[in-house]
Amino acid sequence: AQSVSQHNHHVILSEAASLELGCNYSYGGTVNLFWYVQYPGQHLQLLLKYFSGDPLVKGIKGFEAEFIKSKFSFNLRKPSVQWSDTAEYFCAVIFMDTGRRALTFGSGTRLQVQP
Amino acid sequence: GAGVSQSPRYKVAKRGQDVALRCDPISGHVSLFWYQQALGQGPEFLTYFQNEAQLDKSGLPSDRFFAERPEGSVSTLKIQRTQQEDSAVYLCASSLARTSGIYEQFFGPGTRLTVL
Repeated sequence: AQSVSQHNHHVILSEAASLELGCNYSYGGTVNLFWYVQYPGQHLQLLLKYFSGDPLVKGIKGFEAEFIKSKFSFNLRKPSVQWSDTAEYFCAVIFMDTGRRALTFGSGTRLQVQP
Repeated sequence: GAGVSQSPRYKVAKRGQDVALRCDPISGHVSLFWYQQALGQGPEFLTYFQNEAQLDKSGLPSDRFFAERPEGSVSTLKIQRTQQEDSAVYLCASSLARTSGIYEQFFGPGTRLTVL
């Protein structure tokens, strides 16, 4: 079965540090890729998405992600984190060739940014 | 409204009770999804509607779970004879039907169900 893995469960950084969160999926077909963020007490919000074209995708709040097809990866990056980036981050995939349109989520990464 | 809304936001049920969770999708969104999010986990798919048709219910964990969207707008997720393992946050998401192959989903705030 198709799956999504997030390697880091809890990340603690100081403000201005660089961030990279890993995401891998187990599937060789066509995918739509997403990163969602959930701030404390808020609902899931879309950070960025990839469907086709340039594998380097830029999202809101200075986040970007790179799709590396050969590695089945879609890692999230931010050059300099802020305290307000403290949240839970979820990678999600739609496995297009299966015909399913549901998102398959990773287990999430809790990011804590210390001032 | 501007976003997906869900009610109630919190629900406490005694084991064995039936519960009904409501989702109001974004106006005009044809597709509607239900997900279950256990504590410390990512959301897991339950079921999917396109308009009033339930096209995929492969994620429903048992026959105690039932969902409907009779008029292609508001949806209700019903859980019969609730069990403790049903305790979770139930998320609803909606999206436009296929738009240039893009299936971006917008999520509601969720209903936190606690079964005692």
